[in-house]
Amino acid sequence: TQLLEQSPQFLSIQEGENLTVYCNSSSVFSSLQWYRQEPGEGPVLLVTVVTGGEVKKLKRLTFQFGDARKDSSLHITAAQPGDTGLYLCAGVPGNQGGKLIFGQGTELSVKP
Amino acid sequence: DAGVTQSPTHLIKTRGQQVTLRCSPISGHKSVSWYQQVLGQGPQFIFQYYEKEERGRGNFPDRFSARQFPNYSSELNVNALLLGDSALYLCASSLSPLALQETQYFGPGTRLLVL
Repeated sequence: TQLLEQSPQFLSIQEGENLTVYCNSSSVFSSLQWYRQEPGEGPVLLVTVVTGGEVKKLKRLTFQFGDARKDSSLHITAAQPGDTGLYLCAGVPGNQGGKLIFGQGTELSVKP
Repeated sequence: DAGVTQSPTHLIKTRGQQVTLRCSPISGHKSVSWYQQVLGQGPQFIFQYYEKEERGRGNFPDRFSARQFPNYSSELNVNALLLGDSALYLCASSLSPLALQETQYFGPGTRLLVL
């Protein structure tokens, strides 16, 4: 069974601080996606990374895919209260396009 | 453009009952996937349908079934409901599951409570 371990599960920080969320597995994924989910809503895609070592930036968010395509990280610079939410990593295992394996999520709270 | 739509938004059932959840994909999308998200956890894959055929099934009992219609909308059925079936049921659509970098777009979900 392919698993994605996401850490930390909960994070409470002050506005302006930096943070990193990690997503690790012993399995190789053909691509990895990061989603953000608000209460009562479905996950919204932030980014997809597909190449080992790839780094993508989305404003204050930086996403990295590990060289071996087994892990990924999300770094937020100067967090703002609007960043509060549930962050989920999800991987496409092997050649099974269409099936996403999700991590358990990181609940982020940014206090003003 | 309309995104993925799901109905109903909320549902309360009792143990042993049956439930049907509905999903309409984004126009032009031919693949629909279903996920179950229990409170405090990430979504878990239940089914994927593409061109009306089942392409994948997660580790769920036979009480869970689904189908896809010619217009690519989909229904998820759950029989003999258990308390543990209480969850947010998410539907996601994509153009095709054949591309490994395929992007899945999620609907708002149906919140099911089993009493």
